[in-house]
Amino acid sequence: SQTIHQWPATLVQPVGSPLSLECTVEGTSNPNLYWYRQAAGRGLQLLFYSVGIGQISSEVPQNLSASRPQDRQFILSSKKLLLSDSGFYLCAWSVIEGETQYFGPGTRLLVL
Amino acid sequence: SQQGEEDPQALSIQEGENATMNCSYKTSINNLQWYRQNSGRGLVHLILIRSNEREKHSGRLRVTLDTSKKSSSLLITASRAADTASYFCATLRRGGGSNYKLTFGKGTLLTVNP
Repeated sequence: SQTIHQWPATLVQPVGSPLSLECTVEGTSNPNLYWYRQAAGRGLQLLFYSVGIGQISSEVPQNLSASRPQDRQFILSSKKLLLSDSGFYLCAWSVIEGETQYFGPGTRLLVL
Repeated sequence: SQQGEEDPQALSIQEGENATMNCSYKTSINNLQWYRQNSGRGLVHLILIRSNEREKHSGRLRVTLDTSKKSSSLLITASRAADTASYFCATLRRGGGSNYKLTFGKGTLLTVNP
């Protein structure tokens, strides 16, 4: 069966510090991968998606970036965090683009 | 712009009652999906209904889709306290090029009181 992991679960970082959030998927090959951000009481905002290794599409211009160094690994990064980067970050995968997405447990990021 | 908008924003019912949540959207879609999120957790996919379908069932869940009104509803029958969660609709439409864009609403917070 397929599983998706995210870590860390919770992160508190000072403004201006770097960020690296990792997402890995097990039990499937060549998944479509997604990074979302959820602000408190809001819906999900798609940040990045990837249909293959090294292929990243950005939905929202910001100080975040994403990379896919391996087939089942998706990394969300920032060189310098802003207060507005605080939120709940969710990674998801799908077999077919546009079909059911399967979400990880999320990382709660607090930038102080 | 927000594609899917759920209504109501919050709903509180007693265990055993039915819960109905609605979703409206603005542009044509390929499919519409409903997800559930327990507090502080990831989302769990509940059901997907395609643009050429009008109704779908899964256990105690019933989803309808009216493309002429650009709306969908999620009905949970015989609710349980464990159904307490936020429920999101997500609409899929073709984006630029060959990409599909799944857009989530802000969700309905359902509270089922024992």
